[in-house]
Amino acid sequence: EIVLTQSPATLSLSPGERATLSCRASQGVGAYLAWYQQKPGQAPRLLIYDASTRATGIPARFSGSVSGTDFSLTISSLEPEDFGVYYCQQRGYRPTEWAFGQGTKVDMK
Amino acid sequence: QVQLVQSGAEVKKPGASVMISCTASGYSFSSFGLNWVRQAPGPSLEWVGWVNAGTGDTLYSQKFQGRVSITRDTSANTAYLELRSLTSEDTALYFCARGRGGRQIYLEHWGQGSLVTVSS
Repeated sequence: EIVLTQSPATLSLSPGERATLSCRASQGVGAYLAWYQQKPGQAPRLLIYDASTRATGIPARFSGSVSGTDFSLTISSLEPEDFGVYYCQQRGYRPTEWAFGQGTKVDMK
Repeated sequence: QVQLVQSGAEVKKPGASVMISCTASGYSFSSFGLNWVRQAPGPSLEWVGWVNAGTGDTLYSQKFQGRVSITRDTSANTAYLELRSLTSEDTALYFCARGRGGRQIYLEHWGQGSLVTVSS
């Protein structure tokens, strides 16, 4: 079973600051990881897939990286619309094995 | 553009069953699978299962095996999630989601969510 551990649980920042979110996988399944953003009352939105590829329409201030089983999402300069909860997600080798992290809330300081 | 529109909120008693629907538009329905993901107060996300909209083949999370069924109606471009033997722990927002590209291991398009409340 894949377990994804996100840190920190909460990140309090101001607009214009840089945000770095982490997601550690309990086992390696390659660089197959996605990041989602969720705002209150909305469905999650796909931001990044394959660890570092931006989804359609996602601004360049969002970037992803990987080192082994440690994944990062960076928002280079926070915009007001970037505040929300961010989740990482992987699907394992078995097609029934899906995992989501517990989320990192980015809120305004 | 791809749209997934889900049925409305449901209130059920413990032990009952619930069926929620997800109607797709803007793409060839039979060419992609549809996943169901739920979000309980908590608030993380949990994969429930998947249906191949073309063949009707299904995959389910082991956690729900035996009390979940996912079906589809290609004539209506609609997928259905049925969950049986409900308990209060099934109270959650249920989303349908379509995968991205050929591998479909990432969820690119989401419905708006259907709230299921289980309460006596």
